[in-house]
Amino acid sequence: GAGVSQSPSNKVTEKGKDVELRCDPISGHTALYWYRQSLGQGLEFLIYFQGNSAPDKSGLPSDRFSAERTGGSVSTLTIQRTQQEDSAVYLCASSFRAGGSETQYFGPGTRLLVL
Amino acid sequence: AQSVSQHNHHVILSEAASLELGCNYSYGGTVNLFWYVQYPGQHLQLLLKYFSGDPLVKGIKGFEAEFIKSKFSFNLRKPSVQWSDTAEYFCAVNERRDDKIIFGKGTRLHILP
Repeated sequence: GAGVSQSPSNKVTEKGKDVELRCDPISGHTALYWYRQSLGQGLEFLIYFQGNSAPDKSGLPSDRFSAERTGGSVSTLTIQRTQQEDSAVYLCASSFRAGGSETQYFGPGTRLLVL
Repeated sequence: AQSVSQHNHHVILSEAASLELGCNYSYGGTVNLFWYVQYPGQHLQLLLKYFSGDPLVKGIKGFEAEFIKSKFSFNLRKPSVQWSDTAEYFCAVNERRDDKIIFGKGTRLHILP
């Protein structure tokens, strides 16, 4: 199909609630990345998956954040007990395989607002 | 810690002006370098990338970037900008022993018609 898709496009939630953000990568891409884009902060790496290998979680800001990737395709980023500082655009990207030489293809992002 | 610095947070130019956006990184090892662009209302997309060979890399839409290893820099240039170049530009670096790509904070470019 087309490019990387993400849902929802916008999410407004109350502080303390859990949220789930979804990413559908490009078919055939084995690597999937999550980033957070906050105003004035650029793109902050969160986590990446490569095939069936253990994910690199080194960018997750706290244990309230987790992600999984089912069947090597769709990924869900979960934020538990959301805080106002979690408000940001969450971007997903996929590439044919992991590796710094690979071009990443980005989705449109999910804009999260925590009230 | 690994870092990427983009010195200009917001740049305003008139059409036909020349552009140079700065990018410096802090890794000591071998790196891959990228510039990504996000046009208003669109997804982030790759503008150009450097892996090896000629340090002067040409990308889409007349953009180019030069890798200067001694300065740990990868500045983006365009001789004559157009109104349609209005966008946010991100420099990114990958240290080859790792699969992560680290992005700078971005530079918002606004071109006056």
